[in-house]
Amino acid sequence: NAGVTQTPKFRVLKTGQSMTLLCAQDMNHEYMYWYRQDPGMGLRLIHYSVGEGTTAKGEVPDGYNVSRLKKQNFLLGLESAAPSQTSVYFCASSDSPPGLRREYNEQFFGPGTRLTVL
Amino acid sequence: GEDVEQSLFLSVREGDSSVINCTYTDSSSTYLYWYKQEPGAGLQLLTYIFSNMDMKQDQRLTVLLNKKDKHLSLRIADTQTGDSAIYFCAETRGSARQLTFGSGTQLTVLP
Repeated sequence: NAGVTQTPKFRVLKTGQSMTLLCAQDMNHEYMYWYRQDPGMGLRLIHYSVGEGTTAKGEVPDGYNVSRLKKQNFLLGLESAAPSQTSVYFCASSDSPPGLRREYNEQFFGPGTRLTVL
Repeated sequence: GEDVEQSLFLSVREGDSSVINCTYTDSSSTYLYWYKQEPGAGLQLLTYIFSNMDMKQDQRLTVLLNKKDKHLSLRIADTQTGDSAIYFCAETRGSARQLTFGSGTQLTVLP
């Protein structure tokens, strides 16, 4: 199993350009998440999905859109990139393992995409 | 926002114990977690504790939970250079099973 993979690993954009980050998981997980990581600020949730065809806003959704057309894929789009979106982006997935309460939420993370917006 | 708080840096000598502290604000949190992030990698679950427990031990790791003070700690015994990483505490929130992370503590193990 590859787990959670992210494409691309690195990207440099100019202000105003658009791009899509792809996250794929092969664990048949229902839940998928997009985070951004900035120095000293931990991980902040951008958008998430509770199942195929569903998406919802997280803590910092402005400037981003997402789609979950297939259960295994979760796409994050930047329509018009801004320097404030320079960050490391992580995708994660999770599910409800048997024997633990529903609230248990071990998330499996991808390796990250380092995005620089000039 | 910083609803889960951690100090940013900790340095220890190899072989000593490390204690990383975390405070949280949501008293309804059922699970609390410690994740580890090695350089250039994503986060990986290290251990977790359920809210009805005070302590959990797993080999060199000891998690202490003080629900009254909303304080969580991670103790690493006999710290090794391979333990150098960023450690995040996190709590489960919301019906969509979201995690709220602290800012992370950068642990540096000195030889």
